[in-house]
Amino acid sequence: EVQLVESGGGLVQPGGSLRLTCAASGFTFSNYAMNWVRLAPGKGLEWVSSIGGSAGNTYYAGAVKGRFTISRDSSRNTLYLQMNSLRVEDTAIYYCAKVKSSGIFDFWGQGTLVTVSS
Amino acid sequence: DIQMTQSPSTLSASVGDRVTITCRASQSINTWLAWYQQKSGKAPNLLMYKASTLESGVPSRFSGIASGTEFTLTISSLQPEDFATYYCQQYHTYPWTFGQGTKVEI
Repeated sequence: EVQLVESGGGLVQPGGSLRLTCAASGFTFSNYAMNWVRLAPGKGLEWVSSIGGSAGNTYYAGAVKGRFTISRDSSRNTLYLQMNSLRVEDTAIYYCAKVKSSGIFDFWGQGTLVTVSS
Repeated sequence: DIQMTQSPSTLSASVGDRVTITCRASQSINTWLAWYQQKSGKAPNLLMYKASTLESGVPSRFSGIASGTEFTLTISSLQPEDFATYYCQQYHTYPWTFGQGTKVEI
């Protein structure tokens, strides 16, 4: 059974940093691209970042490019999102999502809440 | 970026109703479109991809059609468990983008 478990969310002041973690199990982690998608209060889903199965290619939404870094450790079956220079508008539930094939998210974690506030 | 516009934003319906949600892309995405269902407080769930291919385990009352840059999700007979928010998403070009969502309520 595929399982994705996010952690690392919390309350942080504007300008601060957080690192989100997604622990994966139930599938061959290194074979699949992984993503972060967020849901801000009162808003719709927003794709944040993607990383290839071999960790070769990374992609970012314009709103986070230069501030967020996606990475993965296939020896630990773990996905990361390093978030720096956080802004109030980054407040959201962050989900990690496995890709079925390019851009199709077939399994999602339960999400971790990030609140950016002074 | 490719803009995805869903309509309506909110839809009031009853159990047994036929429900249609529309998603329009700002440019051609072929059929590289997925639909997701999200219930309150839960993670999204993949319903359909390639515009009309049902994900394994999704009931057959859900169907999808593509016509140019317009895509339609239909629920043939609304069930109590279908009250949720639905999102379309294009995966033709980065950045992948979602519609703003359609909330189906009683």
